[in-house]
Amino acid sequence: DAEITQSPRHKITETGRQVTLACHQTWNHNNMFWYRQDLGHGLRLIHYSYGVQDTNKGEVSDGYSVSRSNTEDLPLTLESAASSQTSVYFCASRLGTASTDTQYFGPGTRLTVL
Amino acid sequence: AQSVSQHNHHVILSEAASLELGCNYSYGGTVNLFWYVQYPGQHLQLLLKYFSGDPLVKGIKGFEAEFIKSKFSFNLRKPSVQWSDTAEYFCAVTLDTGGFKTIFGAGTRLFVKA
Repeated sequence: DAEITQSPRHKITETGRQVTLACHQTWNHNNMFWYRQDLGHGLRLIHYSYGVQDTNKGEVSDGYSVSRSNTEDLPLTLESAASSQTSVYFCASRLGTASTDTQYFGPGTRLTVL
Repeated sequence: AQSVSQHNHHVILSEAASLELGCNYSYGGTVNLFWYVQYPGQHLQLLLKYFSGDPLVKGIKGFEAEFIKSKFSFNLRKPSVQWSDTAEYFCAVTLDTGGFKTIFGAGTRLFVKA
């Protein structure tokens, strides 16, 4: 069955370190998204991609970057981790750009920055 | 700015009680509405969605939601909850402005007592 996987599921790191969170989907979806989930804020969009070599900034993109070298993967990099980036990160994918399309979510990565 | 409000952050019910979770959005244009659910330790998954037609939408596991355009609301209901409905519920709105922007509410954590 098609799915989205994220790794690692849990990560503890120190302030200032570079961290990369992996996202891999086998739906063959063109559109992929990264969200962070914080208490009281719901899910906020960090970056998104409409296809290979395409990346775009979302609502809370400062301190994060993504790259899309193939359809299946959209890794999220924290260039220099900060305590404010302690959060749960969700990757999602969607087949098309129609606003009626459903997003499919990964299991999440819980990141703690000490 | 567009936003989605979920009225209750935490709800505790006994089994067989009726459930209604409120969701209001602020946007004057055409919207598509979603409810996602996240069971403990699992991915976010789609519960139901509305984009046109009958404003009363039925989803999985006995859930339904009603879109009331005049009230900018999309409340989720279930006549009789079960212990297995314990989860976090997210209301989301996708704006029909060319495609991708999905705005999530802060979520409601439901705990059902057996």
